[in-house]
Amino acid sequence: KAGVTQTPRYLIKTRGQQVTLSCSPISGHRSVSWYQQTPGQGLQFLFEYFSETQRNKGNFPGRFSGRQFSNSRSEMNVSTLELGDSALYLCASSFEQGASQGLFFGSGTQLSVL
Amino acid sequence: AQSVTQPDIHITVSEGASLELRCNYSYGATPYLFWYVQSPGQGLQLLLKYFSGDTLVQGIKGFEAEFKRSQSSFNLRKPSVHWSDAAEYFCAVGAIQAGTALIFGKGTTLSVSS
Repeated sequence: KAGVTQTPRYLIKTRGQQVTLSCSPISGHRSVSWYQQTPGQGLQFLFEYFSETQRNKGNFPGRFSGRQFSNSRSEMNVSTLELGDSALYLCASSFEQGASQGLFFGSGTQLSVL
Repeated sequence: AQSVTQPDIHITVSEGASLELRCNYSYGATPYLFWYVQSPGQGLQLLLKYFSGDTLVQGIKGFEAEFKRSQSSFNLRKPSVHWSDAAEYFCAVGAIQAGTALIFGKGTTLSVSS
């Protein structure tokens, strides 16, 4: 069974631009979550989507948004990029809503904002 | 406040020696506990998880962890370390109410010497 797939693997953007990251969950998994990983702040929860609805949101500004499609694939968008948005963005999927079945992570998208 | 503490930033262990990585948590609800491993430039791989029941849980790659409620700890152990175990290890805590919003520790980097 294929794992969580994230595209693109690397992105370079400039301040003020916007970016869209994509995530395909493990087949059969219906929940997709996003995390931001930085050296300073570590791993921080962004949001969780289940059945195309945002179920939970972390403490991030409104510039960070996401959506989930009927096939469970998810996209994350960051508008008006800031230097501090440079991070590894990790997508995780789980079979059901919540983490009781475990969260399975992709390899991430490394975003660099110049 | 909810938090996860991994007291050791970096540990070096000789190949073949035993390993114990420490994790302490502070969480208001009944916790789910996880250990993840991350190799450079990669996503997180789930090693093991604890939800309830037997407080000693077995995971992949020969790892195990013991939940001690009285000490708010969930330490990871391996009896004999292999050079391929060198990576960064993260402890995380969650709960039913939190969905997939896990709180991660800052991580412990494991180096293996020959």
